[in-house]
Amino acid sequence: EAGVTQFPSHSVIEKGQTVTLRCDPISGHDNLYWYRRVMGKEIKFLLHFVKESKQDESGMPNNRFLAERTGGTYSTLKVQPAELEDSGVYFCASSQATGGWLTQYFGPGTRLLVL
Amino acid sequence: DQQVKQNSPSLSVQEGRISILNCDYTNSMFDYFLWYKKYPAEGPTFLISISSIKDKNEDGRFTVFLNKSAKHLSLHIVPSQPGDSAVYFCAAPEGGSNYKLTFGKGTLLTVNP
Repeated sequence: EAGVTQFPSHSVIEKGQTVTLRCDPISGHDNLYWYRRVMGKEIKFLLHFVKESKQDESGMPNNRFLAERTGGTYSTLKVQPAELEDSGVYFCASSQATGGWLTQYFGPGTRLLVL
Repeated sequence: DQQVKQNSPSLSVQEGRISILNCDYTNSMFDYFLWYKKYPAEGPTFLISISSIKDKNEDGRFTVFLNKSAKHLSLHIVPSQPGDSAVYFCAAPEGGSNYKLTFGKGTLLTVNP
């Protein structure tokens, strides 16, 4: 069974540019989560999808961040315009419909560097 | 305010010895605690958990201890192996949630052969 995949693995952009991160969850997983780890700090929750619906986006830093999950399959996280403090590793995770935190499977992350 | 704290950024132990990773928390409403393990360039992988109604949970070489009165938990790895070298995160689901994980900053464990 394929795990959670994320693309790209790395992204280097300049301040003010736009970047779109993609996450493909494990097939059949209704729950999809985005987390972020800024260098040297803890991993922080950003938001949670159940199928195509945003269940909780309380962790989104500001309105420069937009997450979508059209069709309830893959998800994208767009940062526009990017700022220096957006640099970090963005993790995506997924879990089954009846599974909660114990069954969150994480992807390898996208390393974003904003210059 | 950080609710889950891992105050040791790194720990180095010899192969075969015990590794003890510590975690403190401030929110007494946490019902469960989890440990995740993370290798470089990979995402965190669930390792072991403990319910707040227990004080110990064991899975092979890994044991987690919970001291509720001290708001402290620890992960013991015995015996430690070089393949255990990774970053270990302590985490807890935020109150009322079974999905929104709050993580500590992580502890880098290095097991020397």
